Amino acid sequence: ETGVTQSPTHLIKTRGQQVTLRCSSQSGHNTVSWYQQALGQGPQFIFQYYREEENGRGNFPPRFSGLQFPNYSSELNVNALELDDSALYLCASSRELAGNSYNEQFFGPGTRLTVL
Amino acid sequence: SQQGEEDPQALSIQEGENATMNCSYKTSINNLQWYRQNSGRGLVHLILIRSNEREKHSGRLRVTLDTSKKSSSLLITASRAADTASYFCATMDSNYQLIWGAGTKLIIKP
Repeated sequence: ETGVTQSPTHLIKTRGQQVTLRCSSQSGHNTVSWYQQALGQGPQFIFQYYREEENGRGNFPPRFSGLQFPNYSSELNVNALELDDSALYLCASSRELAGNSYNEQFFGPGTRLTVL
Repeated sequence: SQQGEEDPQALSIQEGENATMNCSYKTSINNLQWYRQNSGRGLVHLILIRSNEREKHSGRLRVTLDTSKKSSSLLITASRAADTASYFCATMDSNYQLIWGAGTKLIIKP
């Protein structure tokens, strides 16, 4: 158990809908990173939040957006869902200096999103 | 895009044997990390090796890093059934973001 929690565990949506995934970071951590993991693949970096601001973004379209709150928890929002958005979404928290991913990341169990 | 490439894609060995997985990457790195994932769930951090280190040990794990060849290896000694999982290497690039490989699926047969 890493102390990072994600909700919901599973989610089924239809194409075109919007979804919000939530992540509570481990106590003392100030940075949250979000990843998308398709079946049989490694995680793909979506973006990272450090002290409530986006701090780095992978190759994902603007319909993927996020927030980080003062308590360092975070949300991932995906608009206009597409079938290819079906994946395991992982968040990871860490304690960083100056927003650099220099330290070990602690992962939550993930949210399995299915888009029909 | 994925920076690291693990080799082999899948590995099946008998319990008690040693398992070796390799990772190659393309660009310069700050550090390289190995993670384990059970059944498509959350990733567990195993070990981090910095770019100025060549070898690191943690329990039954041994990681080597060769920056001249842009490669790393993870050795698990005296494997156990509980080691069955997928193993990923992740490299920290110059933008301080983690870039992941596709993973090695390790199966330990009793």
